[in-house]
Amino acid sequence: KAGVTQTPRYLIKTRGQQVTLSCSPISGHRSVSWYQQTPGQGLQFLFEYFSETQRNKGNFPGRFSGRQFSNSRSEMNVSTLELGDSALYLCASSRSRGTADTQYFGPGTRLTVL
Amino acid sequence: ELKVEQNPLFLSMQEGKNYTIYCNYSTTSDRLYWYRQDPGKSLESLFVLLSNGAVKQEGRLMASLDTKARLSTLHITAAVHDLSATYFCAVDYAGGTSYGKLTFGQGTILTVHP
Repeated sequence: KAGVTQTPRYLIKTRGQQVTLSCSPISGHRSVSWYQQTPGQGLQFLFEYFSETQRNKGNFPGRFSGRQFSNSRSEMNVSTLELGDSALYLCASSRSRGTADTQYFGPGTRLTVL
Repeated sequence: ELKVEQNPLFLSMQEGKNYTIYCNYSTTSDRLYWYRQDPGKSLESLFVLLSNGAVKQEGRLMASLDTKARLSTLHITAAVHDLSATYFCAVDYAGGTSYGKLTFGQGTILTVHP
């Protein structure tokens, strides 16, 4: 069974630009969550989508947005990039939203903002 | 606000020795996860603990959960170099609306020396 895939794996942008990251969950998984990992703040939750609806949102500014498609694939968008947005962005999928559903993580997209 | 704290944050062990990583969390939770992260890699799921007294073992790693104390432990037995990695605990606060939102500890960087 294929794991969670994320594209692109690496990205270099400049301040003020915008970026879109993509996540394909494990086949049959319907919940997708996004996390930001930085050396200073650690792993922080961005948002979660289930059945094309955002179900949870973390404490990030409105520049961070996402969506989920009918095939459960998800994208996140960051507009007006800042230097502090440089991070590893991880996507995780789970079968559903039940108690026993583990989140499986993708390889991540490493974003560098210059 | 749910807080998750791990200790120690850095752990240098000799091969063959035993040690324990502790994970405390601040509010009631239905699920506690342990993940492993190798440098530059994504998160690998190790254990999911769902109930008080739960104990799971895989190879040289054993995880347990005490929901009354809001404490989980990850015990390492007879450490080997291959266990060198960063270990994270994470809690999924099931407060009715928080499925899919993991709150992570700071991570414990484990280095096993010959």
